[in-house]
Amino acid sequence: DVKVTQSSRYLVKRTGEKVFLECVQDMDHENMFWYRQDPGLGLRLIYFSYDVKMKEKGDIPEGYSVSREKKERFSLILESASTNQTSMYLCASSLLGDRAYEQYFGPGTRLTVT
Amino acid sequence: QKEVEQDPGPLSVPEGAIVSLNCTYSNSAFQYFMWYRQYSRKGPELLMYTYSSGNKEDGRFTAQVDKSSKYISLFIRDSQPSDSATYLCAGDLLYNQGGKLIFGQGTELSVKP
Repeated sequence: DVKVTQSSRYLVKRTGEKVFLECVQDMDHENMFWYRQDPGLGLRLIYFSYDVKMKEKGDIPEGYSVSREKKERFSLILESASTNQTSMYLCASSLLGDRAYEQYFGPGTRLTVT
Repeated sequence: QKEVEQDPGPLSVPEGAIVSLNCTYSNSAFQYFMWYRQYSRKGPELLMYTYSSGNKEDGRFTAQVDKSSKYISLFIRDSQPSDSATYLCAGDLLYNQGGKLIFGQGTELSVKP
């Protein structure tokens, strides 16, 4: 069974802390994605990666960075967390090529920054 | 203007009703059009996809794309309480080495028994 796992379901951090969100997929997918989901704004793409050590900015990369050292693992880093980064964070993965439209999502991490 | 616009609802219907969910989009480069379904406290999952214009049917669900008017629709026949979820439409900006999906805001649907 296809699986995308995220390191935490709920996380509470203080303003200014460095935050790491980890995502692991077991499907040997080339593509991996980080989104945030906010009421009224839907899913917004932060960063994505189509290969190890490759990364591309999504629509809202400011305040975030990513790391992909292994094919199955994609990390999202908040260098200095701020209250406006309180959100639901979703990781996803997909194949390249003809099936790239089919993304598999993890359960999400609800991050609260106080 | 967002590239994919979707009425967030919420939409509440009685069991057995026909549900129509709609999106408009602005990017002519989209080739694939998707509907994802997201249950409460879960990640989205792909429900249906359509390549270019036309209809696609899968059981009680029909996806429809009209590229001339840039309109995406999902119809649910004989709706069930288990259909209660948020439905997200999406278009693609995919290329050989990756690419991305552009999602609408999502429509929250509630089907009452």
